[in-house]
Amino acid sequence: NAGVTQTPKFQVLKTGQSMTLQCAQDMNHNSMYWYRQDPGMGLRLIYYSASEGTTDKGEVPNGYNVSRLNKREFSLRLESAAPSQTSVYFCASREDSPLHFGNGTRLTVT
Amino acid sequence: DAKTTQPPSMDCAEGRAANLPCNHSTISGNEYVYWYRQIHSQGPQYIIHGLKNNETNEMASLIITEDRKSSTLILPHATLRDTAVYYCIVRVASFAPKTSYDKVIFGPGTSLSVIP
Repeated sequence: NAGVTQTPKFQVLKTGQSMTLQCAQDMNHNSMYWYRQDPGMGLRLIYYSASEGTTDKGEVPNGYNVSRLNKREFSLRLESAAPSQTSVYFCASREDSPLHFGNGTRLTVT
Repeated sequence: DAKTTQPPSMDCAEGRAANLPCNHSTISGNEYVYWYRQIHSQGPQYIIHGLKNNETNEMASLIITEDRKSSTLILPHATLRDTAVYYCIVRVASFAPKTSYDKVIFGPGTSLSVIP
């Protein structure tokens, strides 16, 4: 089992460009999450999905959209990237269990 | 979800026990205490969790006070590889019919440095 897989691992965008960060889990978990982590800071929750078909805002949702495509996949979209969105993005999933994290996507917006 | 308070940083001598405190004075009866750690820029790693009883696994021990307002994570014999940021969180999930929420919020954590 791969666990939680995030793609891409690295990405550089110009201001105003759009992109989608992909996340997939193979553990049949209902809940999935997107966090961002700025240098020297803790994790901040962007959006989460408690089950297929539902999504809810976290602490810092502005500038992002999400799609829970199916039970396995939870994508994060930046419609118009800004330098303030330069960060490391982590996807996680859980059922009745601790969170399982992916290895992160390092995004730089210039 | 209840908020947690942790010291921003701690040092521990290699081979000694590292005791990391966490305050969660507004914890509700159905909220669990979870501990994670993050080494460098990797994804956080689960360590241990508990509700009201003390817990122990191969990585650590978790001591929760009787009133559940605070807890301590104990790494019995700290090594250099235990240098990391440690996060204490409390969370509750509600999967009542037609509603569900499962928000998991991380605080800034404690940066533990294990010193040779």
